[in-house]
Amino acid sequence: GAGVSQSPRYKVAKRGQDVALRCDPISGHVSLFWYQQALGQGPEFLTYFQNEAQLDKSGLPSDRFFAERPEGSVSTLKIQRTQQEDSAVYLCASKLSALGTGELFFGEGSRLTVL
Amino acid sequence: AQSVTQLGSHVSVSEGALVLLRCNYSSSVPPYLFWYVQYPNQGLQLLLKYTTGATLVKGINGFEAEFKKSETSFHLTKPSAHMSDAAEYFCAVSDQVGGAQKLVFGQGTRLTINP
Repeated sequence: GAGVSQSPRYKVAKRGQDVALRCDPISGHVSLFWYQQALGQGPEFLTYFQNEAQLDKSGLPSDRFFAERPEGSVSTLKIQRTQQEDSAVYLCASKLSALGTGELFFGEGSRLTVL
Repeated sequence: AQSVTQLGSHVSVSEGALVLLRCNYSSSVPPYLFWYVQYPNQGLQLLLKYTTGATLVKGINGFEAEFKKSETSFHLTKPSAHMSDAAEYFCAVSDQVGGAQKLVFGQGTRLTINP
């Protein structure tokens, strides 16, 4: 596609439910990032993939958060046993190359509300 | 660790007036600095970036920013505000560990334009 696509755009979950958020990066982009943006805050780094390899997951807040990119394209962020503090917009971004300062392209985000 | 401080969570200016959004950073290595804009329910869009070279950087939509190492600042300016500039603006610094360009964002400044 022309840009980074994320789905669902909006998700409401009951506390304790599992959710899965999908990211379709720009075709051919090597680097893929997930960020979490709480209400009124700037985005915070969660995890980074270079192709299918998850090179950095230092930002994942707990072991309830899991991300994968098995074929080096589409990525899924999974949150198990959701808690109210998980409510946020989850942003996916992709970049053409692994190195350098090429532009990072962001998707529109998936807004998760946990009741 | 790198960090970004944006002074003023809300800035309001009149249409046609100067826009000044302040950003100070902390970095133990020469920083790469970025400004992103976020319109409601949309992803982040890159306005401009500083990597190396000229310290005055010009971006899209008439915005520019100046890197001042002595002041650890990267303030964003636009000579004449337009109604379409109303949005949330984020300053970010790049963590270049591993070359992944992991971004650390400030908390954002909401810009309102008064007619």
